Amino acid sequence: GAGVSQSPSNKVTEKGKDVELRCDPISGHTALYWYRQRLGQGLEFLIYFQGNSAPDKSGLPSDRFSAERTGESVSTLTIQRTQQEDSAVYLCASSLAGQPQETQYFGPGTRLLVL
Amino acid sequence: AQSVTQLGSHVSVSEGALVLLRCNYSSSVPPYLFWYVQYPNQGLQLLLKYTSAATLVKGINGFEAEFKKSETSFHLTKPSAHMSDAAEYFCAVSDNTGNQFYFGTGTSLTVIP
Repeated sequence: GAGVSQSPSNKVTEKGKDVELRCDPISGHTALYWYRQRLGQGLEFLIYFQGNSAPDKSGLPSDRFSAERTGESVSTLTIQRTQQEDSAVYLCASSLAGQPQETQYFGPGTRLLVL
Repeated sequence: AQSVTQLGSHVSVSEGALVLLRCNYSSSVPPYLFWYVQYPNQGLQLLLKYTSAATLVKGINGFEAEFKKSETSFHLTKPSAHMSDAAEYFCAVSDNTGNQFYFGTGTSLTVIP
């Protein structure tokens, strides 16, 4: 079966522009996670969806970041007025039911470069 | 809040030698612990996980990890390194709700022929 897919795989943008990153989770997975991985650093948890709801948005770095999920499927992470420090790989993962012991299945990531 | 510390951002071992990657966690509740691996140009995939059953957990490709509550550790080992083990390894802990996961900064494993 298909795994988690993300698009675009690479995005180069100019400082101040808005970008939208897309994640398609594994079909039937109710839980979806977004992470940011800066160069040489670990994964930074951003936000978690259970169905279409995000119980806690406190992991988002600033109010320039927003995320939504529709149809308990596709999710988009939007970064407004991008800054150079937003440059990173953005990873999406999904799990079957969002239980803490479940395996997360990761997508290949979107590499974002803000010039 | 939980956190994960991986000692050693880079580890080099000779082919056939023991692999030991260290992970320590801090958690106020019994944790769920994971090791994920990222091979070059691939996405992260689960290597193994501890979910409060057996403290010695066996994973794919001959890796295993032992949960030691007294040491708050979950070190990853493999008796004999193979060239194909060269990758980035991440230790992670989840809270008891599944709402948040905390990853370490990763350890890059190099296997020397």
